[in-house]
Amino acid sequence: GDSVTQMEGPVTLSEEAFLTINCTYTATGYPSLFWYVQYPGEGLQLLLKATKADDKGSNKGFEATYRKETTSFHLEKGSVQVSDSAVYFCALSEGVQGAQKLVFGQGTRLTINP
Amino acid sequence: NAGVTQTPKFQVLKTGQSMTLQCAQDMNHNSMYWYRQDPGMGLRLIYYSASEGTTDKGEVPNGYNVSRLNKREFSLRLESAAPSQTSVYFCASNRRDPPHYFGPGTRLTVL
Repeated sequence: GDSVTQMEGPVTLSEEAFLTINCTYTATGYPSLFWYVQYPGEGLQLLLKATKADDKGSNKGFEATYRKETTSFHLEKGSVQVSDSAVYFCALSEGVQGAQKLVFGQGTRLTINP
Repeated sequence: NAGVTQTPKFQVLKTGQSMTLQCAQDMNHNSMYWYRQDPGMGLRLIYYSASEGTTDKGEVPNGYNVSRLNKREFSLRLESAAPSQTSVYFCASNRRDPPHYFGPGTRLTVL
C-alpha cells in the first residue's frame, strides 16, 4: 500500500533558523499531499496542501512543493518562531474519489528555542 | 460552527470494559473517519464512512466497531477494551475527499 516517510525527530532549532522537514512517499497513483500541524493537547490542523506535481502549497510562512520525480514533499520555513513548536505530519490521500483516506507519516516533533 | 466535536476528552477503562466514543460534525460533511495516534506511529485509520449508511474498515479495525448514526454523528465502540487500545483517538470529517477536519481527540487509557 501507499506509505509516507518523514525525517526522524525530534528537531530542535533556535528562533529565526531555517527549517526543513523531509517527507517522501510511495504511491501507486497520483495522490494529493498534505502537511498537518498538531499543537500540544490539540487535534491536527491542515497547514498546507498540493494536489498535483509541481504545485507549491504555502501557509503562515511554510512552503512545500510536490516533486513527482523525487516523490517528495519537504516542508520549509525561512525563519522559525517559538510559536512554531509542534508536531508536524506529512500525509497523502489514498483511494477512489469520494471515498479517499489519508495515510500519515510518523510525525516530526519540532522545538524552537528563543 | 463547532466543527468536529468528540466526547469524552479523557477516559480510563479496566481491561474488558466497554465504551463508546462519540463524534459529531456540523459542517454537513459526507465522510467521517476514526484514527488512533500512538507515539512514533503517526495516525492510523480504524474505520471510515464515506457517506451516511456506509462504513468500511481501515488499517487497524480489530477490536472496534462503528456506527454512522446519521450524517452528523459517527461513533466508535470498544466492546472489550485491551491495554493495546490505550491511545489518543481522533475523529475527522470532510465534504467528499481530504483534507480532513479533525476533532480535539479522546485520550483513552486501558488498565
